[in-house]
Amino acid sequence: NAGVTQTPKFQVLKTGQSMTLQCAQDMNHNSMYWYRQDPGMGLRLIYYSASEGTTDKGEVPNGYNVSRLNKREFSLRLESAAPSQTSVYFCASRQSATNEKLFFGSGTQLSVL
Amino acid sequence: AQSVAQPEDQVNVAEGNPLTVKCTYSVSGNPYLFWYVQYPNRGLQFLLKYITGDNLVKGSYGFEAEFNKSQTSFHLKKPSALVSDSALYFCAVRDRDNFNKFYFGSGTKLNVKP
Repeated sequence: NAGVTQTPKFQVLKTGQSMTLQCAQDMNHNSMYWYRQDPGMGLRLIYYSASEGTTDKGEVPNGYNVSRLNKREFSLRLESAAPSQTSVYFCASRQSATNEKLFFGSGTQLSVL
Repeated sequence: AQSVAQPEDQVNVAEGNPLTVKCTYSVSGNPYLFWYVQYPNRGLQFLLKYITGDNLVKGSYGFEAEFNKSQTSFHLKKPSALVSDSALYFCAVRDRDNFNKFYFGSGTKLNVKP
């Protein structure tokens, strides 16, 4: 009963490097989300995918790109990492936009030096 | 714009005592409000939600929340705290127009001491 699985759990990058954070859910959910969590700021939405084949910007999309590869998978890419992107990243999913309950992965702790 | 505020960074309570974690909201129209809990090194877990109806909402692990329209508050409560309740608690509100957007508070760390 995996739920939402994120990889990797930890990552250290140098400024300018690129990487992709992976997320997969096994609950047949339609909607998927990427958030970042920073101390004292709660969670902020980066991008979301309301359904397979669609993606939209959230509150803080600059510096990121996403791909909804299929219904299960939603990846987040940093093309040129910056120290300001040091954060904990969470993927989440839910059945649909009218089902309010979000299910979260365990997070990726990213440090950009 | 919708937002929530959690005025306390940290709440300390003794085991067995009642606990309250505060949340106030700012929305136009009827709010859709939520509480989530985050245990160390874990993702957030849904506790409860208020959509409409009774002002007292019951959720997981014995938690409940009271919606107060006149005070624009949605405080999380539990009659008797457990040490295992120690965690980070987030209040959230759903965007009125975009059902995919949720706005989270900054979080309140709850410490329950034996």
